[in-house]
Amino acid sequence: AQSVTQLDSHVSVSEGTPVLLRCNYSSSYSPSLFWYVQHPNKGLQLLLKYTSAATLVKGINGFEAEFKKSETSFHLTKPSAHMSDAAEYFCVVRARGGTSYGKLTFGQGTILTVHP
Amino acid sequence: DTAVSQTPKYLVTQMGNDKSIKCEQNLGHDTMYWYKQDSKKFLKIMFSYNNKELIINETVPNRFSPKSPDKAHLNLHINSLELGDSAVYFCASSQGSEYRDNYEQYFGPGTRLTVT
Repeated sequence: AQSVTQLDSHVSVSEGTPVLLRCNYSSSYSPSLFWYVQHPNKGLQLLLKYTSAATLVKGINGFEAEFKKSETSFHLTKPSAHMSDAAEYFCVVRARGGTSYGKLTFGQGTILTVHP
Repeated sequence: DTAVSQTPKYLVTQMGNDKSIKCEQNLGHDTMYWYKQDSKKFLKIMFSYNNKELIINETVPNRFSPKSPDKAHLNLHINSLELGDSAVYFCASSQGSEYRDNYEQYFGPGTRLTVT
């Protein structure tokens, strides 16, 4: 079985300040992990993914995430927020074993607000 | 040149009606999916088709019937609509086996279904 918990439903930052969106996961097998972003009325866009290579993953638009197995976390960060980063972000775990192999499980989303 | 497109974007209908949502992908992918995003923003997979064959069928009422006329299309037909069917439905596609480490899904913009 697998699950994802996004620890904050809303995060608000000022433009130019760092962004931290928190995600914890549980998985019976070594997982693949993703972050997706959803802008209003748009589909989900893949920001970055972890698939058992480097634990620090760099994605698009200056985002990165670090896989920490000991903490079962995959937090998303960005050094300096931009107004265009305002969106909803989803942490996703993919099963890599068991009867649910390949199945994606989504977190409940974190809405990021960026103030001028 | 949208990669994964859905029609319609919005659908308002009355209880008891039958409706369809269409999905098309121009990425040449061989696997397509339908997800339901409920009011709490959780995305849950409903169906997965690979090369026009059903490979995932989660616990979904049999009022929901996916149809894949070819690899580029996966339509979702819903009979006897109920209030609880109101949600955003996302189509997605991917290439190759879910066992590949670099597998990822591309999502459409979603169809917001409102049942009154």
